[in-house]
Amino acid sequence: DIQMTQSPSSRSASVGDRVTITCRASQSISRFLNWYQQKPGKAPKLLIYAASSLQSGVPSRFSGSGSGTDFTLTISSLQSEDFATYYCQQSYTTPPITFGQGTRLEIK
Amino acid sequence: QLQLQESGPGLVKPSETLSLTCTVSGGSISSSSYYWGWIRQPPGKGLEWIGSIYYSGSTYYNPSLKSRVTISVDTSKNQFSLKLSSVTAADTAVYYCARQTAVPGHGGIDYWGQGTLVTVSS
Repeated sequence: DIQMTQSPSSRSASVGDRVTITCRASQSISRFLNWYQQKPGKAPKLLIYAASSLQSGVPSRFSGSGSGTDFTLTISSLQSEDFATYYCQQSYTTPPITFGQGTRLEIK
Repeated sequence: QLQLQESGPGLVKPSETLSLTCTVSGGSISSSSYYWGWIRQPPGKGLEWIGSIYYSGSTYYNPSLKSRVTISVDTSKNQFSLKLSSVTAADTAVYYCARQTAVPGHGGIDYWGQGTLVTVSS
């Protein structure tokens, strides 16, 4: 099975910061990588699919990059509503659906 | 606008079977473009995939839960269901139903239910 590892597990940042979250796959998954945002008490929301494609309605400050085993989610200028937990998910072999363990983004 | 809604008991006794149904509105469950799945999240923890079903009835289960899970689909009601047997406190979680695209190169989960908390306790 393909394992997904995110880093960091949590980080603090300020409004206006540029933030990068990393996701690493245990084997090459080409560009089959999706990113989600989850706020407390809410279902996850798809932000990025196929490594770099922005889901409809998602602000352009979110971007994704990478291929193979290493991927990044970048928020160019953090807004207050972006403080949440972010998950990556591989779709190279799916089902099954495998997620990273999550990265909690907190206000500094 | 597609909507998914989970329904079922919020409290289940240990050793019993957890049963949830997801009702899909605003779109057909009988589409070859999607899988329909269940994902859970224990309090304060990450996301765990339970299993998925295709409109044809093909099922896919998390190996760690496979012996206890059954997912079925009722296309006439536009619903799919989850049964998890022999539950323990470790099965306490928010359970989400969700739609995953089956389009090659995508595979994203683009619609989710609001989630329902199921507590396992006597």
